[in-house]
Amino acid sequence: EPEVTQTPSHQVTQMGQEVILRCVPISNHLYFYWYRQILGQKVEFLVSFYNNEISEKSEIFDDQFSVERPDGSNFTLKIRSTKLEDSAMYFCASSVGGRSSYNSPLHFGNGTRLTVT
Amino acid sequence: ELKVEQNPLFLSMQEGKNYTIYCNYSTTSDRLYWYRQDPGKSLESLFVLLSNGAVKQEGRLMASLDTKARLSTLHITAAVHDLSATYFCAVDRAGSSNTGKLIFGQGTTLQVKP
Repeated sequence: EPEVTQTPSHQVTQMGQEVILRCVPISNHLYFYWYRQILGQKVEFLVSFYNNEISEKSEIFDDQFSVERPDGSNFTLKIRSTKLEDSAMYFCASSVGGRSSYNSPLHFGNGTRLTVT
Repeated sequence: ELKVEQNPLFLSMQEGKNYTIYCNYSTTSDRLYWYRQDPGKSLESLFVLLSNGAVKQEGRLMASLDTKARLSTLHITAAVHDLSATYFCAVDRAGSSNTGKLIFGQGTTLQVKP
């Protein structure tokens, strides 16, 4: 069964450094997302992306964050200058989208655990 | 603002017992999802509920949706240890079907003891 893949599985970085988290969504999916989960807390929406532009973003997704689909397969999340509070599990997700897929869920990757020291 | 609340947040139960997890949400929603998360793992989709009165079953899990009460339930029948995990409900806002912004509940950690 096709799946969303994320790399790396764990990233350790120093405060102030830039990080790029990578994702390969399911190939026929058109909608892409980033969510995060701080340890022991609920899953929070960051951003959705469709047709090469952001569809919606949350308050968390400030100017330090950006997303890109640099080629036909990868979807990346960049944090320009990491803070301690950015430490979390970051999940990429994708969905088919559109009316025909009204009942299809978001498919999540295994996540990247980001630790900012 | 759409809010989603689950209860209980933690549930310890014996194998063979039945129990129900509740998910309340604050405003009209198009869809309600149930996900399972094992420790350190990703979110696995269990159910997508679309309409009032919808009921779906998979093995020992059954989910239902009452849109008028803005309530979904996840019922566990004759629990087994393999069901131990954290269960999240999530909803999206009415009219926002294509943005994929899901609002998650806090999660219910289920521990099934032999």
